[in-house]
Amino acid sequence: DVKVTQSSRYLVKRTGEKVFLECVQDMDHENMFWYRQDPGLGLRLIYFSYDVKMKEKGDIPEGYSVSREKKERFSLILESASTNQTSMYLCASSSTRNNEQFFGPGTRLTVL
Amino acid sequence: TQLLEQSPQFLSIQEGENLTVYCNSSSVFSSLQWYRQEPGEGPVLLVTVVTGGEVKKLKRLTFQFGDARKDSSLHITAAQPGDTGLYLCAGIRTYKYIFGTGTRLKVLA
Repeated sequence: DVKVTQSSRYLVKRTGEKVFLECVQDMDHENMFWYRQDPGLGLRLIYFSYDVKMKEKGDIPEGYSVSREKKERFSLILESASTNQTSMYLCASSSTRNNEQFFGPGTRLTVL
Repeated sequence: TQLLEQSPQFLSIQEGENLTVYCNSSSVFSSLQWYRQEPGEGPVLLVTVVTGGEVKKLKRLTFQFGDARKDSSLHITAAQPGDTGLYLCAGIRTYKYIFGTGTRLKVLA
């Protein structure tokens, strides 16, 4: 059974803290993605990676960075969390052979 | 800028009714996908449509891609409570997926 896992389902942090969100996939997929999901806005792409150590900015990269040191792992980093980064964060992966994205269960982050 | 608009945003219907959800854009996509997301879970792919005018059926769900590959529709026949969820369309351009605003469907027993 294919799987994308995220390190936490719920996370509460304080303004100014550094936050790490981890995502691991076991499908040997080349592409990995980080989205945030907010009501009425759908999913917005933050960053994506099409290979190890490669990254591309999505539509809303400000305030975020990413790391992909291994093929199966893609990390999202909030250098200094702010309240407007309170959101649901979804990780996904896909193969270059087809366009199906597999999503993790999401991390609901609250920044106080 | 939101490139994909979905309508309606919310829909609450009785079991057995039919419904249609629309996904519209001014941009052309190489393909378009529909996902369903249930509470506490990530979206799950339902279908991918690639060719303009293409129609795909998945049991009681019928998906159509517009002739110009700018829009799509999802029609559900005889909706059931198990169809409840958030429906998302996503247009694909190169490696990027552009998601719609979502339609939250609730089917009442």
